[in-house]
Amino acid sequence: GENVEQHPSTLSVQEGDSAVIKCTYSDSASNYFPWYKQELGKGPQLIIDIRSNVGEKKDQRIAVTLNKTAKHFSLHITETQPEDSAVYFCAASKTGNQFYFGTGTSLTVIP
Amino acid sequence: NAGVTQTPKFQVLKTGQSMTLQCAQDMNHEYMSWYRQDPGMGLRLIHYSVGAGITDQGEVPNGYNVSRSTTEDFPLRLLSAAPSQTSVYFCASSSNINQPQHFGDGTRLSIL
Repeated sequence: GENVEQHPSTLSVQEGDSAVIKCTYSDSASNYFPWYKQELGKGPQLIIDIRSNVGEKKDQRIAVTLNKTAKHFSLHITETQPEDSAVYFCAASKTGNQFYFGTGTSLTVIP
Repeated sequence: NAGVTQTPKFQVLKTGQSMTLQCAQDMNHEYMSWYRQDPGMGLRLIHYSVGAGITDQGEVPNGYNVSRSTTEDFPLRLLSAAPSQTSVYFCASSSNINQPQHFGDGTRLSIL
């Protein structure tokens, strides 16, 4: 099956700085890559996703980039705010197949 | 819309006991799934269903059973609880297997 690796496992940034989380995947047939944010005591919530026919997608302060050749995708958060502090998960799947999740990144934004 | 509702939120069991974790969604989603979340291991798929009457195994199915008699409900059964099943369990649903998933808020299960 697919193998998704996520780095770093923890990340601390100053408020206003940018944060970048990277994931790699092993199955070149994977074509859907969502990112989830999980706050303490809650379930993961989708924040942005990208499909393999697109190289970059942006939604306000959040962007995701995809490099199909290198088989990696990244989450970029600009102008970080304390409310961005959470655990972030990447995932990969291919048509008709299950999701495989990364191991998570705990992001702390220091005021 | 309630989305995905999981009950109970917390549960403590003794080894060997059985129980059912409930999951219901009100979005008329065909695809439903169960994950367990353990520290440092992310979310691992236990079982999933692509529609009423259809279920299949995920990465870590041993010790768990599921059924899907209606579109709305997808219960997860632990037949004989073991300490290794101590975890946080999440149910998710989506319109299709390759579409964004909506997660419930989880059931925190401890097996003593």
